[in-house]
Amino acid sequence: AQSVTQPDIHITVSEGASLELRCNYSYGATPYLFWYVQSPGQGLQLLLKYFSGDTLVQGIKGFEAEFKRSQSSFNLRKPSVHWSDAAEYFCAVGAPGGSYIPTFGRGTSLIVHP
Amino acid sequence: KAGVTQTPRYLIKTRGQQVTLSCSPISGHRSVSWYQQTPGQGLQFLFEYFSETQRNKGNFPGRFSGRQFSNSRSEMNVSTLELGDSALYLCASSSGGPLETQYFGPGTRLLVL
Repeated sequence: AQSVTQPDIHITVSEGASLELRCNYSYGATPYLFWYVQSPGQGLQLLLKYFSGDTLVQGIKGFEAEFKRSQSSFNLRKPSVHWSDAAEYFCAVGAPGGSYIPTFGRGTSLIVHP
Repeated sequence: KAGVTQTPRYLIKTRGQQVTLSCSPISGHRSVSWYQQTPGQGLQFLFEYFSETQRNKGNFPGRFSGRQFSNSRSEMNVSTLELGDSALYLCASSSGGPLETQYFGPGTRLLVL
C-alpha cells in the first residue's frame, strides 16, 4: 500500500527566507506525486504535480519540487517566502495506471513571521 | 468559469440523524470525488463518481454513500451519524482522466452533537 510521511508538523520561517517542506513516500514503483496548499477555511489548491520526466517540477506561486527516487522524496521548495504563504501544505501520492486515488500526508503547517 | 461549489457550508446535526451534502462541479467536469478531513485522521478519500457511476471507493463504512446526477452534480449521504463523523467534507471535480487536475470546493463543515 502507498503511504506518505510529512515529518514536520509545523515550520516557522521569516518572510523573505527560503523554504523547504519535506515529503517521503512509500510505493513499489514511481507514483504520481502532488503538493496541495490549504488556506484557513478553504479547500485544497494544487501547487504542482509530478508524473514522469524532469524531476524538478515548477508550480504556481513560485513553488517547485524535486523528485528523488533514491530517497523516495518529493520536497517542496520556495526561494523567498511571502506572508501570504502561511497555510497548511499537503503532499499526496497516487498509484499510476487506472484511476487515481490519492493518499495524503498529515500536512505541514507553515507559519511566516514578518 | 465558476469553481466547485458545495452546499451547505456549515451544518449541525445530532447523533443518529442523517445528512446530505451537495457538490456542483466545474462546468464540463464529469468526475466528482469526496474527501473527509479531520484533525485525527487527516484527509481521507471517500469515493469518486464518474458519469453517474461510482468508479472508486475508499475505506469507509456503508453509512457513507453518494450518487451523481446526469448533470454531474453529486450528493453524499451519511446515515446514522456518529460523533466521529464531525469533519470537513471536501468535494473535488476534474475532467475524469487519472492525470487531470482536481479542483476542490471550500468544503462543508459538519458538526455532530
